[in-house]
Amino acid sequence: AQSVTQLGSHVSVSEGALVLLRCNYSSSVPPYLFWYVQYPNQGLQLLLKYTSAATLVKGINGFEAEFKKSETSFHLTKPSAHMSDAAEYFCAVSDRPNTPLVFGKGTRLSVIA
Amino acid sequence: NAGVTQTPKFRILKIGQSMTLQCTQDMNHNYMYWYRQDPGMGLKLIYYSVGAGITDKGEVPNGYNVSRSTTEDFPLRLELAAPSQTSVYFCASSYSGKQETQYFGPGTRLLVL
Repeated sequence: AQSVTQLGSHVSVSEGALVLLRCNYSSSVPPYLFWYVQYPNQGLQLLLKYTSAATLVKGINGFEAEFKKSETSFHLTKPSAHMSDAAEYFCAVSDRPNTPLVFGKGTRLSVIA
Repeated sequence: NAGVTQTPKFRILKIGQSMTLQCTQDMNHNYMYWYRQDPGMGLKLIYYSVGAGITDKGEVPNGYNVSRSTTEDFPLRLELAAPSQTSVYFCASSYSGKQETQYFGPGTRLLVL
């Protein structure tokens, strides 16, 4: 069965520092992978998704993620954190047609001035 | 284009009461979903629907019911509210399952006392 593990429930970085949020997945077939962001008191919105076209995926707000099959990982990065990046981030996986996404437990990102 | 709308935004229920959480989307999406979000637990799928008249259970369906009589609407019914159902509920929709982006509503915060 597909599953997602996000390492670290809370990550804190300084403004301007590198952001790295980790996601590992378990899937028996090539997956589709997603990163969603949730700002306080809002619903989730898509940051980026991997659908097998290119292993390095660029998303909104300067975020990107790299699909590494050998490591079963899809880590999210941003070169320079901004205060507005403070939010909760969710990794999700889907590997079968017509089945819903499976979400990780989320990582809360804090950005320190 | 309003996207996914949910009502109410917030509700307090007494134990044993019932209520319906409303969800409407205006994007002509086939798939609709109900999730609950509890702190540190990510999103858990309650029910989903692949089209009008078709619904299926997710990971945590007990205590809930759904119906899908139209493409646009996907209400979630709580029959006998329990404190364990205190949560934030999100509705989402997408064109299809596997690789399509899910669009989320703003959520309904429910408190059962």
